[in-house]
Amino acid sequence: KNEVEQSPQNLTAQEGEFITINCSYSVGISALHWLQQHPGGGIVSLFMLSSGKKKHGRLIATINIQEKHSSLHITASHPRDSAVYICAVRVANFGNEKLTFGTGTRLTIIP
Amino acid sequence: DTAVSQTPKYLVTQMGNDKSIKCEQNLGHDTMYWYKQDSKKFLKIMFSYNNKELIINETVPNRFSPKSPDKAHLNLHINSLELGDSAVYFCASSQDPARVGAEQYFGPGTRLTVT
Repeated sequence: KNEVEQSPQNLTAQEGEFITINCSYSVGISALHWLQQHPGGGIVSLFMLSSGKKKHGRLIATINIQEKHSSLHITASHPRDSAVYICAVRVANFGNEKLTFGTGTRLTIIP
Repeated sequence: DTAVSQTPKYLVTQMGNDKSIKCEQNLGHDTMYWYKQDSKKFLKIMFSYNNKELIINETVPNRFSPKSPDKAHLNLHINSLELGDSAVYFCASSQDPARVGAEQYFGPGTRLTVT
């Protein structure tokens, strides 16, 4: 079982819908990242959070450390939001820290 | 200005060959990483360097050897390429990962195809 689980694996929605992508993890972490990978392949860091909530434009990320759970929300979704969204957690690794990734959620927004 | 750059973007080569992928970052970061993304789009860390020193070395075959000539560069050399090495390889950089707020910045990726 992967240390980081995302749901759903695939999500198709109409333009304008409110989107929620979930991430659960089973290890102690120091931070959690949400990444976006566009069809062209490039990866962009959207958020890094260790508690509470962060907001950038139409994107909102929340984390509940006690429940080991994070959500990424997209309000007023748009076709340009179509991408793979990847959750990654930062875990200690023999005194150093490394990112462990979820398998990603493929989001498709239909006009 | 490209923050993290990789060359080449595409690399097609035959089994048994030796190849290198170069990575450079102009962000002044201390730490650089190599990740492998397989055909199922799953990302996994391979190596991490902090100030030219290897700090993370996952279970990667000895055929893979990272080299960091300075803080701004982390190259990946692969010997005796195998079909299973076909993947997209991403370089990334960050400030000291132990620091709060140390986001990672990714390069555009290098798609390696071994035939």
